[in-house]
Amino acid sequence: SYVLTQPPSVSVAPGQTAKITCGRNNIGSKSVHWYQQKPGQAPVLVVHDDSDRPSGIPERFSGSNSGNTATLTISRVEAGDEADYYCQVWDSSSDHLYVFGTGTKVTVL
Amino acid sequence: QVQLQESDPGLVKPSETLSLTCTVSGGSIRSYLWNWIRQSPGEGLEWIGYMQYSGSTNYNPSLKSRVTISEDASKNQFSLKLSSVAAADTAVYYCARSGWSGYVDFWGQGTLVTVSS
Repeated sequence: SYVLTQPPSVSVAPGQTAKITCGRNNIGSKSVHWYQQKPGQAPVLVVHDDSDRPSGIPERFSGSNSGNTATLTISRVEAGDEADYYCQVWDSSSDHLYVFGTGTKVTVL
Repeated sequence: QVQLQESDPGLVKPSETLSLTCTVSGGSIRSYLWNWIRQSPGEGLEWIGYMQYSGSTNYNPSLKSRVTISEDASKNQFSLKLSSVAAADTAVYYCARSGWSGYVDFWGQGTLVTVSS
């Protein structure tokens, strides 16, 4: 099956940098999108097409994608960044058109 | 600003059909792709399927035999029907908009559907 693998959890101190990975063979050939989801809320798009930010998303959120790993980087982490983060790809060559990663819980210490 | 709102069926009995409607405001369903995505309690996100205006649909292969997504353009709504539900279908169901770039840019608030007798 089509699986995007993320670490279950990442812990980071305020002001530091959090890196969340999303792995799959040759994911670098796909566009990767990232969502933030806080408890009881719908997901919010924070990065699309590997590294583009929607309007209103702070510059502290950035993305990269190469080889077998895509990465979401949150710089100067704030308490409000504590949430679950999901990567997602759209694979038009597959029946699994929209595939989400397994999710990463970011805890701000 | 596009807004999406799911209906609230609440409780559905096992083996019955789950029916949900999404009402879209601030934009027309005649453009973009309109999705259903679900999230089981404590779990990750699962794409169910999407519809494009004029009837084109695409479904997750794991659910395809039980899913129908349809539109009512006169009401600017689209709907989900999931047949033969079981406890494993208990989840928060989101309706959402996406484009051909492959990402979801607007989400409904989600509605919890519980399958239980």
